[in-house]
Parts: sequence; C-alpha cells; structure tokens
Amino acid sequence: RKEVEQDPGPFNVPEGATVAFNCTYSNSASQSFFWYRQDCRKEPKLLMSVYSSGNEDGRFTAQLNRASQYISLLIRDSKLSDSATYLCVVNLYNFNKFYFGSGTKLNVKP
Amino acid sequence: EPEVTQTPSHQVTQMGQEVILRCVPISNHLYFYWYRQILGQKVEFLVSFYNNEISEKSEIFDDQFSVERPDGSNFTLKIRSTKLEDSAMYFCASSDDEKLFFGSGTQLSVL
Repeated sequence: RKEVEQDPGPFNVPEGATVAFNCTYSNSASQSFFWYRQDCRKEPKLLMSVYSSGNEDGRFTAQLNRASQYISLLIRDSKLSDSATYLCVVNLYNFNKFYFGSGTKLNVKP
Repeated sequence: EPEVTQTPSHQVTQMGQEVILRCVPISNHLYFYWYRQILGQKVEFLVSFYNNEISEKSEIFDDQFSVERPDGSNFTLKIRSTKLEDSAMYFCASSDDEKLFFGSGTQLSVL
C-alpha cells in the first residue's frame, strides 16, 4: 500500500470554478501535512501547511481529518494561473521523513 | 528569503561518465535530501542526510550514487558511470525539521 495516495486527475475546470482535491495517508504516526504546487519542469513549492483545525490562505483552504487519515485542498474562484500539479506531502515528524503523493494535475480553462 | 541553490541547472553527459550535482542548502537547516523526477512521473526520494551521514536511502540509491558534504555549505550528489535511465530532474531539498524547501533542480541528460 502506498504511503500517500492522490487522484492523479487531470481535473479540467473553467475559470471561477471551485475544485477540491483529496489525499489519503496510511501511517497514523504522520505528524505534519502539506500541499505543494509544482509547475511543469519546476521544483515543488510549498503552498500551505495543513493543520487539524483547518487553515485558509486566500482562495485556498486545507483540511486534515486524522480519524480518516485524509487531507483535502479546496481552491475557490480558480484562476488560469492555478493550473499546476498539486502534491500532497506527509512528514513522519520524528524521523523527518517526507512522503509524497504522485500529484493531482489541475487544468483551469478560460 | 533564504533558498536552496543548485548548480548546474542543466547537465549533459555521455553514458558511463561521472557527474557531480551541487547544492547549497538553506544555512540553518540540518536535514538535506536528494530527490529525482523522471519526466512525467512522480517525485522520488533518493537519500536523506543528517549530522554528516546518510540517515536513509531508497532502493534507487545504489552503489552508483554517493553524497557528500565537503564543507559547511555544499551538499553534493555523485553519480558514477551514468546510464540512460539516470536522465531526470534532480532536486536537492533541505528541511528546518518541519517543512521541506526545494532547489530549482538540475536537469540531467545522459546521451
């Protein structure tokens, strides 16, 4: 079983749409959770950390459900510039070991 | 804002040659990593490094690969006797014990 699983997509949405991605993780000892954004042929960049209480950054909202071991990312009012691959990353904190999902590709169309 | 820097951005080499990829992690970070990404595929973990030694390595990181921290700032990945299938983007990353920060990568092309 993979440590982190994501729907690879692609998600094709029109500008202005709301889109949600989910990610599941297998190790209940996981401590830290993140969403990264990766543009084609570029490095992954930290989008936001994910906290148990949920957190919001502008149009982006991240949620963590420890009981069900999943993480979500909601993007409201999608922009063309949101087109990218979104990576779910989980950290086994005590070991500083990061597990990556395979990424979910988002295409925002005009 | 501090960042991870990698050189070169592109490296072309002949099969069988040795290459060294260089990285300067963020200065107060203690954990260093190398990842690779073959075009169109997922980011794959190669090796992690802490306290001047390898803390973990993946199955990909065989005897062909080695890492070094030759001084207080650089962190290198050496690939001996490169193969065609080593062609990929290689990312260095460093961590502040919570978040992971990536360099912009070295695109390695083995001909």
